[in-house]
Amino acid sequence: DVVMTQSPLSLPVTLGQPASISCRSSQSLVHSGGNTYLTWFQQRPGQSPRRLLYEVSHRDSGVPDRFSGSGSGTDFTLRISRVEAEDVAIYYCMQGTHSKTFGQGTKLELQ
Amino acid sequence: EVQLVESGGRLAQPGQSLRLSCAASGFKLRDFWMSWVRQGPGKGLEWVAEINDDGKEKYYVDSVKGRFTVSRDNANNLVFLQMTSLRVEDTAVYFCVRDPAWGAFDVWGRGTMVAVSA
Repeated sequence: DVVMTQSPLSLPVTLGQPASISCRSSQSLVHSGGNTYLTWFQQRPGQSPRRLLYEVSHRDSGVPDRFSGSGSGTDFTLRISRVEAEDVAIYYCMQGTHSKTFGQGTKLELQ
Repeated sequence: EVQLVESGGRLAQPGQSLRLSCAASGFKLRDFWMSWVRQGPGKGLEWVAEINDDGKEKYYVDSVKGRFTVSRDNANNLVFLQMTSLRVEDTAVYFCVRDPAWGAFDVWGRGTMVAVSA
């Protein structure tokens, strides 16, 4: 089974500063067809999760462009260029190449 | 509006059964794979089960294999999760999610709470 490891698990950030979350998989997430099925979700307090990015770097409509995704193979990163108050949430990566596995989640909070 | 609404969650005793339902609206259910994802109290997200668009393919996380069954009724825009032999560790909010492709879950319901306790 594929294990997804996020770091850090807790991320204190100052408003307006950048933030970065790492997500590593125990196996390559490159599918035999060539695509990489790595998705990022945001879960604000008391809400259902919301998709931010799919296939590593494709941003959903309505997601601010301060959110970006990058990476390949087994190593992926979610970046927020300038953190805003509404970004306080738990962020999860999830792989869909080999069944489905979520990372443990990273809690972003304001410093 | 594209929407998923779960129902059926309640307090159950260990060993009992429950059936969760998910009502889809605003899109053609038959065009999508669907999944169930759960979140234990204060815990992270765990994928539980998925079903393909015509209901012929079903996959489960190891911890629920043989106990949970996912099904769907495309004619009535419904997805189900039949849960048997419930365990305390099945306690969670269960989300119904739409999967346009390979786990890119783009629509989530608000969830239904299942509590398993003696």
